[in-house]
Amino acid sequence: DGGITQSPKYLFRKEGQNVTLSCEQNLNHDAMYWYRQDPGQGLRLIYYSQIVNDFQKGDIAEGYSVSREKKESFPLTVTSAQKNPTAFYLCASSRATGRQETQYFGPGTRLLVL
Amino acid sequence: GNSVTQMEGPVTLSEEAFLTINCTYTATGYPSLFWYVQYPGEGLQLLLKATKADDKGSNKGFEATYRKETTSFHLEKGSVQVSDSAVYFCALDYGGSQGNLIFGKGTKLSVKP
Repeated sequence: DGGITQSPKYLFRKEGQNVTLSCEQNLNHDAMYWYRQDPGQGLRLIYYSQIVNDFQKGDIAEGYSVSREKKESFPLTVTSAQKNPTAFYLCASSRATGRQETQYFGPGTRLLVL
Repeated sequence: GNSVTQMEGPVTLSEEAFLTINCTYTATGYPSLFWYVQYPGEGLQLLLKATKADDKGSNKGFEATYRKETTSFHLEKGSVQVSDSAVYFCALDYGGSQGNLIFGKGTKLSVKP
């Protein structure tokens, strides 16, 4: 079955620690996205990548970093510079960017601060 | 700018009741419109979409019609079930360079037996 996997399901971060969230897709999609979801809020874009080896900042990129070395993988690192990291993180992918394209989402990773 | 406004929840209905969740948007150009559903603890699933004015998206008994004149994309279902309990998100894609979706804040639906 094609789809998007995210791991881990839950992640705990200690003060000053960097943590990395995994996102893998086997849909052969070029575009991938990271969104952050806070309670009672819609999703906000952190980073996006339209093609392998390229990525761009979204609306709330401060304190986060990404890489796109392989088409199927788009890991997100939450750095110690992100002062309020507790949230639900969702990865998505689409065949390409463009308003006719549909984005498909993974199951999410919930990040909690110890 | 581009934005989506959804009716605030939570919405509580009895099984077999009629559902409407209002969604209006502001956008440049001609966006595509989407409804996503999120079950507790899970990611978002595409429920339906419409890409041009007067298009009707439908899936699993849910429907929404792209109304350009009222900039709306209201979600409806004739008879809800307990299993429809979830958070529903309206979203638009205006075809911007980022390619991301603009989301509403979500509407939580609870259906009681």
